[in-house]
Amino acid sequence: EVQLLESGGGLVQPGGSLRLSCAASGFTFSSYVMSWVRQAPGKGLEWVSSITPGTGTTYYTDSVKGRFTISRDNSKNTIYLQMNSLRADDTALYYCAKDRSATDRYHFDFWGQGTLVTVSS
Amino acid sequence: DIVMTQSPDSLAVSLGERATVNCKSSQSVFYRSNNKNYLAWYQQKPGQPPKLLIYWASIRESGVPDRFSGSGSGTDFTLTISNLQAEDVAVYYCQQYYGPPLTFGGGTKVEIK
Repeated sequence: EVQLLESGGGLVQPGGSLRLSCAASGFTFSSYVMSWVRQAPGKGLEWVSSITPGTGTTYYTDSVKGRFTISRDNSKNTIYLQMNSLRADDTALYYCAKDRSATDRYHFDFWGQGTLVTVSS
Repeated sequence: DIVMTQSPDSLAVSLGERATVNCKSSQSVFYRSNNKNYLAWYQQKPGQPPKLLIYWASIRESGVPDRFSGSGSGTDFTLTISNLQAEDVAVYYCQQYYGPPLTFGGGTKVEIK
């Protein structure tokens, strides 16, 4: 059974930092692109970042480039999202998402329950 | 970036009737080399993460009821829910994966009339 368990969310002041984690199980983690997608309260879905298997190539939405860093540790079946210089508009539920297949990328067949990040003074 | 525009924002349909959700991309998401449209549909119920319904614009994910169907090509796509059931009340999102960057539509809320 596929499981994705996010952690690390919380309340942080503007300009602060947080590190999110997503622990995965139930599939061959090292073969899959993994992604972060966020959802601001009462709003729609916004893709944040993805990381490929193998080379670990990373992609980001423009609004987080230079502030967020995605990484993965295949030995721990975990991805991370280091978030720096946080802003109020980063407030959202952050989901970890798994690609549907190792070869057909960037659409997601399994999502975690999310971890809430609140940026406020 | 490819902008995804959904319509309508919300719709109310009677039980057993058909619901139609539209999604338009600002540029084609059809890839000629493999003849595929890089378009997925998700369903999100309150308090739950999204669930994949359709990928490659028209392929139903395993376990998804056959009353859900996807159609369209290029820039215009449709999600159809035939014979609407009470459990289909949700917000529906389209997503293009021609990228990255990946983009979602704004969502369409489907309710019971």
